[in-house]
Amino acid sequence: KAGVTQTPRYLIKTRGQQVTLSCSPISGHRSVSWYQQTPGQGLQFLFEYFSETQRNKGNFPGRFSGRQFSNSRSEMNVSTLELGDSALYLCASSLGGGEGTDTQYFGPGTRLTVL
Amino acid sequence: SQELEQSPQSLIVQEGKNLTINCTSSKTLYGLYWYKQKYGEGLIFLMMLQKGGEEKSHEKITAKLDEKKQQSSLHITASQPSHAGIYLCGADINDYKLSFGAGTTVTVRA
Repeated sequence: KAGVTQTPRYLIKTRGQQVTLSCSPISGHRSVSWYQQTPGQGLQFLFEYFSETQRNKGNFPGRFSGRQFSNSRSEMNVSTLELGDSALYLCASSLGGGEGTDTQYFGPGTRLTVL
Repeated sequence: SQELEQSPQSLIVQEGKNLTINCTSSKTLYGLYWYKQKYGEGLIFLMMLQKGGEEKSHEKITAKLDEKKQQSSLHITASQPSHAGIYLCGADINDYKLSFGAGTTVTVRA
């Protein structure tokens, strides 16, 4: 099976712009989670989607949003970019459907640089 | 503050030597995951532990879960250059959310 794919792999934006990142989960996986990784804060949970519904959300401002499509593919959007949004954004997929969290498999990430 | 504390923050080991990384939780552990990451890349799943006292091994890597201590350890035997990277523990602290430790950077010297 193909792994989790994320596009684009690298992105450079300027402050105030918005950006959309895409994630395609492993075939058959219905849960997609997004994380932000920075040297200072480490790996921080953004949100999780299952069957097009957001089930959990991390402590991030409303500028960060996401959605999931009927084919389980997911996108996350960051509006009004700030310098502090520069980070590696990781997407992870899992089967979902059970109680609690099951094993998540990560994509290679999207490196976002905000100038 | 981190719900999961990893120690040490970094370590350097001579090739062929053993190493141990610890992960301690401030909350009850329902599932503990170990991942490895090369800098700037995605996380590679290593192992998942669910039950207290559970121990799993894959090649030269062994992980244990001590439920009472709310702690897990990852042990690498006879380290090789391929073991270099950042090791992260993650735990199911809240519904459908994994919380991660800050990571342990492992350097293997030839």
